[in-house]
Amino acid sequence: EVQLVQSGAEVKKPGESLKISCKGSGYTFNSYWIGWVRQMPGKGLEWMGIIYPGDSDTRYSPSFQGQVTISADKSINTAYLQWSSLKASDTAMYYCARRYSSSLYDGFQHWGQGTPVTVSS
Amino acid sequence: QTVVTQEPSFSVSPGGTVTLTCGLSSGSVSTSHYPSWYQQTPGQAPRTLIHSTGIRSSGVPDRFSGSILGNKAALTITGAQAEDESDYYCVLYMGSGISVFGGGTKLTVL
Repeated sequence: EVQLVQSGAEVKKPGESLKISCKGSGYTFNSYWIGWVRQMPGKGLEWMGIIYPGDSDTRYSPSFQGQVTISADKSINTAYLQWSSLKASDTAMYYCARRYSSSLYDGFQHWGQGTPVTVSS
Repeated sequence: QTVVTQEPSFSVSPGGTVTLTCGLSSGSVSTSHYPSWYQQTPGQAPRTLIHSTGIRSSGVPDRFSGSILGNKAALTITGAQAEDESDYYCVLYMGSGISVFGGGTKLTVL
């Protein structure tokens, strides 16, 4: 069974750094793109970016390029989303999701449970 | 930047048929955008319904179907049930590995 298990809720102050994780199991982690999706409170889903753990090829939405960093450690089947300096506007639920295949264009098949991030002074 | 458009809200009667659409602010949607559709109920992670225009995800009831209608991608629910009341999002592939979510449609079944 494919599972994506995300790290727990985070409460941070503006300016702090943060790295949240998404651990995949039940499949060959290196062979599928994993993406990150933001959902701000009461708002819709936003596609942030994706990474192919096999070679760390990473693509970012223009809206998130330079704002976050997506990475992966294939030795422990884990993808990451990190911020170097959080803002209050980063407060949101963050989902990781795995694509159907190794293709660049396919949709997301499996989803993590979400990691709520709260940034407040 | 091209925006992916969806109806903000829609309502359907139980047992009825509804078609939600997914368009582009500039241009037409085609199978080359590999449209996918997701359902989300409040407080829950999204659930994948359809990918690559019309392929149903495992376990998704066959009352959900995807297609291209005119210049838009479409999600049709035939025989809507109360549990289908949710938010629905489409995603379109824009090239270079980048995809974009639509703004979502809030579906009411009443």
